[in-house]
Amino acid sequence: EPEVTQTPSHQVTQMGQEVILRCVPISNHLYFYWYRQILGQKVEFLVSFYNNEISEKSEIFDDQFSVERPDGSNFTLKIRSTKLEDSAMYFCASSSWGLDNEQFFGPGTRLTVL
Amino acid sequence: QKEVEQDPGPLSVPEGAIVSLNCTYSNSAFQYFMWYRQYSRKGPELLMYTYSSGNKEDGRFTAQVDKSSKYISLFIRDSQPSDSATYLCAIKAAGNKLTFGGGTRVLVKP
Repeated sequence: EPEVTQTPSHQVTQMGQEVILRCVPISNHLYFYWYRQILGQKVEFLVSFYNNEISEKSEIFDDQFSVERPDGSNFTLKIRSTKLEDSAMYFCASSSWGLDNEQFFGPGTRLTVL
Repeated sequence: QKEVEQDPGPLSVPEGAIVSLNCTYSNSAFQYFMWYRQYSRKGPELLMYTYSSGNKEDGRFTAQVDKSSKYISLFIRDSQPSDSATYLCAIKAAGNKLTFGGGTRVLVKP
């Protein structure tokens, strides 16, 4: 069964460093998303991406964040200058055509900022 | 008022019992309703998806939506220890963004 994959599973970085989280969405999907979940808190929407551009973003997704689809398979989230409060699980998700279609989530990347 | 509210639990039931989970929401623009299961330190796994009021059944799972009351439910029949997880409701309006409840932790005891 096709699935969303994410790498790395765990990333440790120093405050102020840049990190790139990587995702491979399900191959025939067209919509891509990033969510995050701070330990003990809700899963929160960050951004959605379609047709090589951001279609929607939350207040959390400020200028420190960017997304990219550098090739036909990968989808990345970059955090330019990490803060302690960026420590969280970051989930990538994808969905097929149509805004009402289900979003399938990857296993997540645990980001720890020291 | 929070957009989506969900009792955090934990909800502890004996094996074989019916598990009843629910969420309330405040925004009448929400049109699509999902239930995800999340095991510890894993990604959410989609269980049920519906967009209309009424019931939808899939195996041991039944999702119920009452748009007039802004209330959604998930029932798990014949619960198994492997059903022990956190269950998240997620709701969407016409756009892409999923709004999640805080999750209910369920423990099914053998």
